[in-house]
Amino acid sequence: GENVEQHPSTLSVQEGDSAVIKCTYSDSASNYFPWYKQELGKRPQLIIDIRSNVGEKKDQRIAVTLNKTAKHFSLHITETQPEDSAVYFCASPSGYSTLTFGKGTMLLVSP
Amino acid sequence: NAGVTQTPKFQVLKTGQSMTLQCAQDMNHNSMYWYRQDPGMGLRLIYYSASEGTTDKGEVPNGYNVSRLNKREFSLRLESAAPSQTSVYFCASSARDGVWETQYFGPGTRLLVL
Repeated sequence: GENVEQHPSTLSVQEGDSAVIKCTYSDSASNYFPWYKQELGKRPQLIIDIRSNVGEKKDQRIAVTLNKTAKHFSLHITETQPEDSAVYFCASPSGYSTLTFGKGTMLLVSP
Repeated sequence: NAGVTQTPKFQVLKTGQSMTLQCAQDMNHNSMYWYRQDPGMGLRLIYYSASEGTTDKGEVPNGYNVSRLNKREFSLRLESAAPSQTSVYFCASSARDGVWETQYFGPGTRLLVL
């Protein structure tokens, strides 16, 4: 099955800095890569996703890049704000209907 | 729309007791999922139902059973709870029908097994 590795496990930045979280996957046939954000005590929610026919996608301060050759994709958050503090999960398909999630990155943005 | 709802929100069980976690979605989604979330382990798939009438095992199915009651509802049953099943359980649903679509999560059930 699919193996998804996510790094780093924790990330501390100052407000206004950029944050980058990276995931690698094992199945070269994977074609969909979502990122979820989970605030403390809340449910995970999709923040951005990318499909394999594009190399980058942006939505305001967040962007995702995909390198299919190297089998990795990254989440980029610019101009970080305290409300960006949360756990972020990447995922990749592990079957027709299922996703395998990374173990998560706890992002802490200090004022 | 309520989205994905789960009951109960919290539960404390003694070892050996049984319980059923309920999940319902009102988005007419085909696929439904049960995950457990433990510290440092991410979200691990227990069981899923790709469509009404079908269920399949995920990564960690031991000790659990599921029922896809109808298109809206997908329940998770612990027949004989063990302390290792202490976790936060999330139900999710997706329109997944040939094209990858967002998985929407419920609010979670926090389960403590003593």
